[in-house]
Amino acid sequence: KNQVEQSPQSLIILEGKNCTLQCNYTVSPFSNLRWYKQDTGRGPVSLTIMTFSENTKSNGRYTATLDADTKQSSLHITASQLSDSASYICVVTPLTGGGNKLTFGTGTQLKVEL
Amino acid sequence: DVKVTQSSRYLVKRTGEKVFLECVQDMDHENMFWYRQDPGLGLRLIYFSYDVKMKEKGDIPEGYSVSREKKERFSLILESASTNQTSMYLCASSTGTAVYNEQFFGPGTRLTVL
Repeated sequence: KNQVEQSPQSLIILEGKNCTLQCNYTVSPFSNLRWYKQDTGRGPVSLTIMTFSENTKSNGRYTATLDADTKQSSLHITASQLSDSASYICVVTPLTGGGNKLTFGTGTQLKVEL
Repeated sequence: DVKVTQSSRYLVKRTGEKVFLECVQDMDHENMFWYRQDPGLGLRLIYFSYDVKMKEKGDIPEGYSVSREKKERFSLILESASTNQTSMYLCASSTGTAVYNEQFFGPGTRLTVL
């Protein structure tokens, strides 16, 4: 069964610090991997997408990396802000299948404090 | 900007009631999805639709049905609500059939069944 596991489950950091969130997946072969940000009480919003041939993608202070050999991805947040407090969800799409085949991780809950 | 709206942010119903959750998107997307999100579990697909009057079961369709009479509207129906259907329900839409196509999510409906 395709799985996506994220770590840590939750994280608290001070404003201005950097952090890295991890995603391990078993989906194979896979087409692409997305990171979503979900603010409390809101739906997820896409931050980055990487295909199997890409190994890094940036969106402002967010940088995602992908190692397709080890089936690992990370999301690095630089100079964190209070508004970064949210759940970050890793989502993997298999090579065969459409939007109904996404596998979602359970998310990392990040809290940024003063 | 893509906008996906859901009819209610919070809903409280009693066991056995029939419940309708409405979702509307304004970007002429072909595909629409209903997910539920529970603590410790990733988003799980309930039903999806690739066209008007078309519906396909997702991973957890039991106890739910859907309706798509118009392209922009996708309704989730709980025929007889039960307490184990207490959850956050998220609607999403996307365009085309390519696996890279981003799913845009609504704000969610938090349903409590007493």
